[in-house]
Amino acid sequence: QVVLTQSPSASASLGASVKLTCTLSSGHSTYDIAWHQQQPEKGPRYLMNLKSDGSHNKGDGIPDRFSGSSSGTERYLTISSLQSEDEADYYCQTWDPGFQVFGGGTKLSVL
Amino acid sequence: QVQLVESGGGVVQPGGSLRLSCAASGFTFRLYGMHWVRQTPGRGLEWVALIWFDGSNDYYADSVKGRFIISRDNSKNTVFLQMSSLRAEDTAVYYCAKGAVPTVTTGDYYDSWGPGTLVTVSS
Repeated sequence: QVVLTQSPSASASLGASVKLTCTLSSGHSTYDIAWHQQQPEKGPRYLMNLKSDGSHNKGDGIPDRFSGSSSGTERYLTISSLQSEDEADYYCQTWDPGFQVFGGGTKLSVL
Repeated sequence: QVQLVESGGGVVQPGGSLRLSCAASGFTFRLYGMHWVRQTPGRGLEWVALIWFDGSNDYYADSVKGRFIISRDNSKNTVFLQMSSLRAEDTAVYYCAKGAVPTVTTGDYYDSWGPGTLVTVSS
């Protein structure tokens, strides 16, 4: 079954950009994923669906600062012009018929 | 506007049972698969169960298979999670999540989440 791997933590300065990575297990390079954000003490929030060709569809109200891209088994979430409210956990998600899987999440600190 | 509201969480003893509900509004409920996802305090997200849009199929994580049952009532726009033989490791916030693609049966992502309900399994 497909497995998603994320780095446990990342950090970047206020106003800067950061690129978070979600890696699909070998042999799963065609899989689409979704990115979700979880701010402290809140439930998850859908950010975008990201396809293997790099095309993505963002959820309602998600700022233009959030974008996605793909390369092979890597799926990326780029956040530009970082703001304090971007400090959160970011999870990637994918699926097979009858099965769902999440990455372990990346905790983003905005310095 | 999509809204998902979970209820039914609480404290239950090991071996006990609990039924969670998720009331949905703002979309045509009968067209979308629905999921339960949980999060242990301080840990990541774990998918628990999925039910197809029409209720004809359901799937479970290995950790809950045989103990949890997901169901839905499309006339009441509600999805349920019946949990039995509860263990300490089932302690978590349980989220209801909506599938993004209508009538899909091959799986898809979530585009809406509820605020969650806390289940604590403890004696």
